Amino acid sequence: GENVEQHPSTLSVQEGDSAVIKCTYSDSASNYFPWYKQELGKRPQLIIDIRSNVGEKKDQRIAVTLNKTAKHFSLHITETQPEDSAVYFCAASWANQAGTALIFGKGTTLSVSS
Amino acid sequence: KAGVTQTPRYLIKTRGQQVTLSCSPISGHRSVSWYQQTPGQGLQFLFEYFSETQRNKGNFPGRFSGRQFSNSRSEMNVSTLELGDSALYLCASSGGLVQETQYFGPGTRLLVL
Repeated sequence: GENVEQHPSTLSVQEGDSAVIKCTYSDSASNYFPWYKQELGKRPQLIIDIRSNVGEKKDQRIAVTLNKTAKHFSLHITETQPEDSAVYFCAASWANQAGTALIFGKGTTLSVSS
Repeated sequence: KAGVTQTPRYLIKTRGQQVTLSCSPISGHRSVSWYQQTPGQGLQFLFEYFSETQRNKGNFPGRFSGRQFSNSRSEMNVSTLELGDSALYLCASSGGLVQETQYFGPGTRLLVL
């Protein structure tokens, strides 16, 4: 079955720096890769996603890149702000399944200090 | 549109008991997925229901079960609770297509004593 590895598990940056979180997946048939942000005590919220026919996608300070050959995808946050502090989860669609199951990485705790 | 709602929000049970959690999806969404979130294992997929049928199942024991009603509301049941079942149980709803965004509910925090 699908397996998603996420690194690093914790990341501390200064306000204004960039942050990069990397994920690898095992099943080459996966074709949908969302990223969720979860603040303390809150529900996971989608921040950006990418589909396998696209190599990069940007939304203001957030970008995601996908390398299907290497089976990895990354989240890039530029000009980080204290409100970016949260746990970030990458996920991959569970390939060869009819449904919408997502397999998640174990999360990255991002701390942005001012 | 109202978001995904889950009830109850908090629950305390003892080992051996059973529990039922409820999830109401966003209006018009036909797919409901359930996930277990723990500090050690992160978010793990339990199962997905679509149009009252279980469409996918994760790697959890048979003590975990679910169902979906005709209005798309879903319930999950855990029988013979174990201490290790203590977790945040999240449901997520979507329209049902593979690449559609899943929207999460606030979760039910279950503590098993």
